[in-house]
Amino acid sequence: GAVVSQHPSRVICKSGTSVKIECRSLDFQATTMFWYRQFPKKSLMLMATSNEGSKATYEQGVEKDKFLINHASLTLSTLTVTSAHPEDSSFYICSARDGTTNTIYFGEGSWLTVV
Amino acid sequence: SQELEQSPQSLIVQEGKNLTINCTSSKTLYGLYWYKQKYGEGLIFLMMLQKGGEEKSHEKITAKLDEKKQQSSLHITASQPSHAGIYLCGADKTGTASKLTFGTGTRLQVTL
Repeated sequence: GAVVSQHPSRVICKSGTSVKIECRSLDFQATTMFWYRQFPKKSLMLMATSNEGSKATYEQGVEKDKFLINHASLTLSTLTVTSAHPEDSSFYICSARDGTTNTIYFGEGSWLTVV
Repeated sequence: SQELEQSPQSLIVQEGKNLTINCTSSKTLYGLYWYKQKYGEGLIFLMMLQKGGEEKSHEKITAKLDEKKQQSSLHITASQPSHAGIYLCGADKTGTASKLTFGTGTRLQVTL
């Protein structure tokens, strides 16, 4: 079945530094990818929608300059958390839409800890 | 915004028992996706429903979308410990799967 791979699964970074998370669709082309954040025992909060070759569309309240999203190819989107702070510590998860079926598959998620 | 409510919020069932989880929308659903998640892990795609009255099954899990396309149910037959996890429904607002809005989730525990 379709697989979306997310890397790294866990990352620890120092406050003030930047960290990049990758999301890859492994066996289908994803014209659209999505980035979510999930707080403990809460549902998913959509951060932004990423379309291949164009700028990401951010949800209200999400800082564009802090959460940089790049969708350079049909199989790869990246989320860069810039100048990370402890409050950015969270579980980030991506998803990708298979355009032929409209099925949306999710990655395994990435735990970010900012110390 | 389209709100999705899931019920129950949590559920504990004995192994072998059947159970149903509901997902209700305040607006018409163009598409409804069901996923399963273990805390701290990714979401596993279960099923996608798009047509009113549609029903799909996979192994012991059956999902239905009502005719009005505002409510979906997920039914598990003869539950097993492997069914434990958080079940999430996600709504397609536009009909083009441009993004999903998620319900609050249902936490399922299956006891031996």
